[in-house]
Amino acid sequence: NAGVTQTPKFQVLKTGQSMTLQCAQDMNHEYMSWYRQDPGMGLRLIHYSVGAGITDQGEVPNGYNVSRSTTEDFPLRLLSAAPSQTSVYFCASTAGQPNEKLFFGSGTQLSVL
Amino acid sequence: GNSVTQMEGPVTLSEEAFLTINCTYTATGYPSLFWYVQYPGEGLQLLLKATKADDKGSNKGFEATYRKETTSFHLEKGSVQVSDSAVYFCALSDISNTGKLIFGQGTTLQVKP
Repeated sequence: NAGVTQTPKFQVLKTGQSMTLQCAQDMNHEYMSWYRQDPGMGLRLIHYSVGAGITDQGEVPNGYNVSRSTTEDFPLRLLSAAPSQTSVYFCASTAGQPNEKLFFGSGTQLSVL
Repeated sequence: GNSVTQMEGPVTLSEEAFLTINCTYTATGYPSLFWYVQYPGEGLQLLLKATKADDKGSNKGFEATYRKETTSFHLEKGSVQVSDSAVYFCALSDISNTGKLIFGQGTTLQVKP
């Protein structure tokens, strides 16, 4: 039972570098989302997707891109990393029924120097 | 807009003490309310939920009641254990935005033997 798998677990970038955080789920969930977790601020929604080919912005989308070419995968791209993007990133998925729980990955800790 | 406010942490208790973590919310309409728990080094897991006023969610000895008149969803447990040490997040979901949650800032609970 893999659930939601995120890679890598840790990453250090230099300012201006780009990278992709991977997220995959094996539960055939339609809804997937990316959150960032910062101290004292809880989790904030970056981008989300309601199905393959459909994405939309969340609360803090600037500096991030997403795509959803398959139901299983929802990668998050940092185009030009900035120190303000130092955070812990979580991917989540749900089948899409109202009030159904989210399944979270174990997170990616990103540091931008 | 919708928002969630949790009590400041950290909360430090002795084993078998009574726990209350306060959560209040601001929302239009009738949101669903959730408590998620994050154990060290892991992603978030759903602890309990309530989908309408006066509902009580419960799990693993934790309880929370959806109070519309006070816009609150306080988390309680009668006797905490060391294994309950974690970060607890209150969250709400607008029923029309499945898969999108608004989180509080999180409350760290440390239980000492």
